[in-house]
Formats: sequence, structure tokens, C-alpha cells
Amino acid sequence: GAGVSQTPSNKVTEKGKYVELRCDPISGHTALYWYRQSLGQGPEFLIYFQGTGAADDSGLPNDRFFAVRPEGSVSTLKIQRTERGDSAVYLCASSSRTGEQYFGPGTRLTVT
Amino acid sequence: DAKTTQPPSMDCAEGRAANLPCNHSTISGNEYVYWYRQIHSQGPQYIIHGLKNNETNEMASLIITEDRKSSTLILPHATLRDTAVYYCIVREVGTGANNLFFGTGTRLTVIP
Repeated sequence: GAGVSQTPSNKVTEKGKYVELRCDPISGHTALYWYRQSLGQGPEFLIYFQGTGAADDSGLPNDRFFAVRPEGSVSTLKIQRTERGDSAVYLCASSSRTGEQYFGPGTRLTVT
Repeated sequence: DAKTTQPPSMDCAEGRAANLPCNHSTISGNEYVYWYRQIHSQGPQYIIHGLKNNETNEMASLIITEDRKSSTLILPHATLRDTAVYYCIVREVGTGANNLFFGTGTRLTVIP
């Protein structure tokens, strides 16, 4: 079956602009996670949804970052007033309630 | 804060067994040991996990010491496609703390 998909695969934006990154989880997976990966580092947790609600958003770096999952399936990560330090690969993963996390290929965000 | 310690890099000859060590001396009784890997430009991929017994699946074997303070991931016959960064992660399951802490992992290079 289809895995986790993320769009776009690459996004280049100018400093100060707003961006949205989309994640389509595996059908039926109730849990969805966002991670961010900088060059040479392991992925860092941002936010976790169980169904429609954010169960843990402790990893969001500041209030410019926001994520939604209005129908408990697709999720959108939103970044306002982007900064060059936001450049990274943004990874999405989904899982059944207690199952393993399956990751998408990521969105490479470059802020110029 | 990292809960695991891994060597930054390792080499392995193609066709030989790759043994990747991980120290997790502060692991608690309800924490599992998970292994993921990340091939270049892809999202992380689940490999295997265990609590205290040794585990084997189609990808790898996981050997956990009796005191659970360390473990070894074994790829029995490494191929060039196994070249990746391997992450050892300790994680509680079923308590709501579902995010993964990746650390920096071990970069395994399989040499022809």
C-alpha cells in the first residue's frame, strides 16, 4: 500500500515569507508526527497528533511554527516569517496507536 | 538529552556481518530499544525493537545484554544498500511519550 507522502519535495522561499508543508499519512494511522532534520544531525521532534488534536507540541521551536490536522488525516505544518535558520528537511511520520513510525521522504526547505 | 551512545562511524566489508553497538546505561524497566536507519536523502526506516529478549526479523537481529545497559544490532550479510546512518533509540511504549529521540547515530559504510 501507499506509504507516507509529503509535498512539496523541495521548497525554496525568501526570508520573511510564509510556507506550508503537507503530509499525507498512511491510511488508518491515527498518530502523526513532524520532525525537523538539519544537516549532519538526527531528526528532532516537533509535534505529535493523536487524531485531530496535538497531543504533544513541545518540540515546536517558537510561535512561528504551527501545525494542524483538521480531519485526523492530512496534516499541514505552517511556518510564518521564515528565517534562514529554518532551512532543514522536514519529516513526517505516521503510526497506528502503539505501532512503529513510518516516515515520509521529507520536504527540503531552503530559506534564502 | 541523549539516552544512547553510539560510535559515529563504522565500516564493514560487503557480505560480512555488521555489528553496531549501542550503550543505554540509564535505560528504565519500561523502555524499549529501537533501531532505525536512514539511507541518504530518505526518511528513517524502522528496523527492529526489543525489551529484554533477543529479537530477529528479516532485516536484522537485536542482541540486548542481560542488564539491558547495551545492545548490538546485527546485519548478518551486509550489502552496499545497507550503507546508512543507524540510530539506536530508547523509548517508552504506551505511555503517551511517543516521539523518538534520534541522536546522531552511527554512519555505516559497506565497502565492496
